[in-house]
This record gives sequence, structure tokens and C-alpha cells, in this order.
Amino acid sequence: EPEVTQTPSHQVTQMGQEVILRCVPISNHLYFYWYRQILGQKVEFLVSFYNNEISEKSEIFDDQFSVERPDGSNFTLKIRSTKLEDSAMYFCASSVGPLNTEAFFGQGTRLTVV
Amino acid sequence: AQSVTQLGSHVSVSEGALVLLRCNYSSSVPPYLFWYVQYPNQGLQLLLKYTSAATLVKGINGFEAEFKKSETSFHLTKPSAHMSDAAEYFCAVTHSGAGSYQLTFGKGTKLSVIP
Repeated sequence: EPEVTQTPSHQVTQMGQEVILRCVPISNHLYFYWYRQILGQKVEFLVSFYNNEISEKSEIFDDQFSVERPDGSNFTLKIRSTKLEDSAMYFCASSVGPLNTEAFFGQGTRLTVV
Repeated sequence: AQSVTQLGSHVSVSEGALVLLRCNYSSSVPPYLFWYVQYPNQGLQLLLKYTSAATLVKGINGFEAEFKKSETSFHLTKPSAHMSDAAEYFCAVTHSGAGSYQLTFGKGTKLSVIP
């Protein structure tokens, strides 16, 4: 069964460092998403990406965040200068169409900023 | 704006008992509603979804949910709990209009099944 894969599963980084979280969406999917879940809190939407551009983003997704689909298979989330409060589980998701279709989620990357 | 409230962060049921996980939503436009399950160390898996067809929706693993507009609810049920149902369950909403790209999640309900 096709799945969304995320790497690494766990990343520890020092405050102020840049991190790149990687995702391989399902191959025939056209819509890509990043969500995050701070420990003990809700899963929160960060950004959606379609046709090589951001289609929607939340208030959380400020200038320190960026997304890219560099090579037609990977979908990355970059955090330029990490803060302690960026520590969270980050989920990538993809879907064939907008969200009346099913969004498939990856297993997540746990980011710990120290 | 839309939001989801899940009553009960932790629910415990005995094996074989009814599972009822509550979800209430708020949406200014007709909603699409989803239940996702997360097993330990895994991603979010779709259990079922309501997208304005039948109000009683059947999903995987014997779960079902009923959309009740008058109560703004979308509670998840299963007649008989199994040990393998122990997981965290998330209710989510999105709007049904064009360009619907984001899900708004509830805080989740952790289900424990007692043998």
C-alpha cells in the first residue's frame, strides 16, 4: 500500500540552527501539507502546497518557515532559525485532490530544539 | 472559522463494551468531517469521513459516525471494543467549499481498552 514517508523520525537541533524535514508524498498525489503537534496540544495546520506554490498557510507559518518540492518526489519543510517552541511532531500529508478526498499522513518527525 | 471540540481527553472501556468518542464542531459553512486514528509511533490514519452524502458513515475496523447537524456533532462509535482499538482518535473538520486545503483538528481522545 502506498504511504507517505518522512525522514528523519527524530531530530535534535540547537536553538538558532536551520533544520530541513523531508517527506516523500504518495506518487500520484498533487496536494501536499505540513502539520505540527506540540506535545499535549492539537494537531495544527501549517501549510498546503499545490502546483509548485503555497495554496494556503496558517499564522504559525511565518517567515522562518519555507516549503519546497525540489525534485518532483520530495517535499521539504525548512525552519531557518529554530526556537525552543518549534519543538513538536511534524506531520507531512498528501492527497489526490482538495480535502474532500482523503489526506494520507506520514509517521511524523519529532523535532527537539535544545 | 471552524473548530472542533472533543469531550474527554481519555476514555477507558472494557473489551467488548460500546465505544463512544464525542466530537462537536463549529463551522460557518457546510462542513466535511473526519475521524483519524493514531497508533503509537505511527502517523494519522483515516477512519471515516462525512462529505455531505449519507449522515451515517461507516469506516474501517467496525467504526461508524453519525453527522447530526442540529447538534453540530459527529460522534464516533463502535459496538464492541477490541484491545487493538487502543489508540488516540482525532476528529477534524474542513469546509466544503472550493479550495479546501486545511483540516482543523480536535485535541484528541486517547482510548484505553481494559481486558
